Amino acid sequence: ILNVEQSPQSLHVQEGDSTNFTCSFPSSNFYALHWYRWETAKSPEALFVMTLNGDEKKKGRISATLNTKEGYSYLYIKGSQPEDSATYLCAPWRGGADGLTFGKGTHLIIQP
Amino acid sequence: SQTIHQWPATLVQPVGSPLSLECTVEGTSNPNLYWYRQAAGRGLQLLFYSVGIGQISSEVPQNLSASRPQDRQFILSSKKLLLSDSGFYLCAWSVHQVSNEKLFFGSGTQLSVL
Repeated sequence: ILNVEQSPQSLHVQEGDSTNFTCSFPSSNFYALHWYRWETAKSPEALFVMTLNGDEKKKGRISATLNTKEGYSYLYIKGSQPEDSATYLCAPWRGGADGLTFGKGTHLIIQP
Repeated sequence: SQTIHQWPATLVQPVGSPLSLECTVEGTSNPNLYWYRQAAGRGLQLLFYSVGIGQISSEVPQNLSASRPQDRQFILSSKKLLLSDSGFYLCAWSVHQVSNEKLFFGSGTQLSVL
């Protein structure tokens, strides 16, 4: 079982501020790293799938970076908005069809 | 376009009763299918996955079982529920046998075992 750590566990951010959080995972046998956003009363939705060391992906105000050698990924949100409030999950993929191992997530609350 | 349906949305069951949660996918063929559970205070845990009809793999020993009677149908069952089976259950699918493909999740079932 993969050990996937996400920090912080929860985060309160003022509207308009930028923020970031971390996902740590074992660097061995790495294939890909997924980020998902899970809003209350909705299904988790994929944000990014990253594979290469040094990868950087961007979607609007949200971006992510990947370091496969040291086993971590950062998710950044620029100019936080209330609609960014959600739990952000990361999940490394180790190959095969056996799905993803999810971290416990970072619960982000944007305060107006 | 592809859609995934999961039902029921909520379920309250007594200890020792049976369970059947159903998930169907539309708009794709031969998907990989998954059942995840989120128990209170824990992350999403993979319970079962399937790469084809009748092919089920289990990640953790448990009181639950899964079946895939049709290509796009995935069922989670239990003969006798335990209190520890309470949680939020999510079905998901991905493109078959393609690496790095993201998961698409259903709307989930909140199961309370009392």
